[in-house]
Amino acid sequence: NAGVTQTPKFRVLKTGQSMTLLCAQDMNHEYMYWYRQDPGMGLRLIHYSVGEGTTAKGEVPDGYNVSRLKKQNFLLGLESAAPSQTSVYFCAINSAGTQYFGPGTRLLVL
Amino acid sequence: RKEVEQDPGPFNVPEGATVAFNCTYSNSASQSFFWYRQDCRKEPKLLMSVYSSGNEDGRFTAQLNRASQYISLLIRDSKLSDSATYLCVVSRGGGADGLTFGKGTHLIIQP
Repeated sequence: NAGVTQTPKFRVLKTGQSMTLLCAQDMNHEYMYWYRQDPGMGLRLIHYSVGEGTTAKGEVPDGYNVSRLKKQNFLLGLESAAPSQTSVYFCAINSAGTQYFGPGTRLLVL
Repeated sequence: RKEVEQDPGPFNVPEGATVAFNCTYSNSASQSFFWYRQDCRKEPKLLMSVYSSGNEDGRFTAQLNRASQYISLLIRDSKLSDSATYLCVVSRGGGADGLTFGKGTHLIIQP
C-alpha cells in the first residue's frame, strides 16, 4: 500500500452522526486524495491536498470536509452523515505521477 | 458522454486463453494513462502505466491510441489469479487533480 494506512477499516453510523476518517502515510508524499467507490459508479474524487495546510475540492465534495494539518495525515470528515454516504472510502498518495491506494474504509450509514 | 468508458463484462474466459479489453476516454487533454487491478473488497492496485508507444510487462500488453482516444489491455496465457476487475484510468497529468476512473471490466478466468 506504499505506506498508506486508513483508520477505521469499518464503521456503522446513524443518520446525523459525525465521524472522521484518517489517512496516514509515512513516505513524505506531498499529494494526497480521498475517493469514494460505489457499485456501478467507479471511484470518484472527493477532495485532495497538494501539501500540508492545503486542500481542494474534487468531483463530489458536498457533505465532506477535509484537513491536512500535518503532512503525514489527511482527514476526511462527515459532519452529519446521510445514507447516501454509505460507501467504501479510499485514500491515495501520488508517487512519481502514479497513485497508490490505502486499504479502504467501509462506511455504512443507517 | 462519460469521461472514461469500459465494457463492464463480465468476461468469462478459459484458463490459458488470451483476452483483450478496451477503454475510451473523452478528454483529449489527458496526459497519463493506467490500468489498475482491483480484487473483490480490496483497494485498486497499479497494474501498468500505458505509454504512447505501447508497452509490455510479462503476459500483459497495453496500447494507447491518442487519435482515437482509446486504451487497450491484452492478457496472454490467462491464469486463474488474473480474475479481478480491471480499471482504466486517465489523468490530465501533474498529479494535483486526481485520476478519472472507468467503472471497470470484470474478468473471470475459468479452470
